[in-house]
Amino acid sequence: AQSVTQLGSHVSVSEGALVLLRCNYSSSVPPYLFWYVQYPNQGLQLLLKYTSAATLVKGINGFEAEFKKSETSFHLTKPSAHMSDAAEYFCAVSGRDSSYKLIFGSGTRLLVRP
Amino acid sequence: GAVVSQHPSRVICKSGTSVKIECRSLDFQATTMFWYRQFPKQSLMLMATSNEGSKATYEQGVEKDKFLINHASLTLSTLTVTSAHPEDSSFYICSASHDPSSETQYFGPGTRLLVL
Repeated sequence: AQSVTQLGSHVSVSEGALVLLRCNYSSSVPPYLFWYVQYPNQGLQLLLKYTSAATLVKGINGFEAEFKKSETSFHLTKPSAHMSDAAEYFCAVSGRDSSYKLIFGSGTRLLVRP
Repeated sequence: GAVVSQHPSRVICKSGTSVKIECRSLDFQATTMFWYRQFPKQSLMLMATSNEGSKATYEQGVEKDKFLINHASLTLSTLTVTSAHPEDSSFYICSASHDPSSETQYFGPGTRLLVL
């Protein structure tokens, strides 16, 4: 069975500081991995996804994530946080079977201090 | 591209009534749609997967007679919460995939349901 663990329910950074949101997955086969962002009372927006091409994936809004098989990790980073980055971030995994069902982590709320 | 809408954005209803939530793919044909439920400050939990023209596949623990899903066309899926109770109050989010071979889902903005 697949699962996702996001370490840290809340992460607080200063504006301009590095953002690091952690995600570890469990899967018997190489999965697809995703990062989504959710603003209050809104649906989810895809930030980036890993589908077995390059291990360093660049997404929207300056975010990127690196797939590390040896560490079963897919951490999300951004060099310099903006106030507008404050939101809830979800890591998700899906299998490579035809169902493509997403399993979400518990989420990490990013707070950006001025 | 790949825009998904939901209607209504929020609904308040009395206990015992039924509520229908619509999910539409606006600029693509969605062969598969997913329905999720999100409780406050929690993650999304998949409720069911629906493919156009066939019965939905429900996740374990989701009552199919309570949460009726219809995917009658390639651009519309509906979720009906029957005989709603206060414990059904939640944020319901749909997503759609435009290609059976695609791993990417596009999410709607969600519907906030409050059952009094």
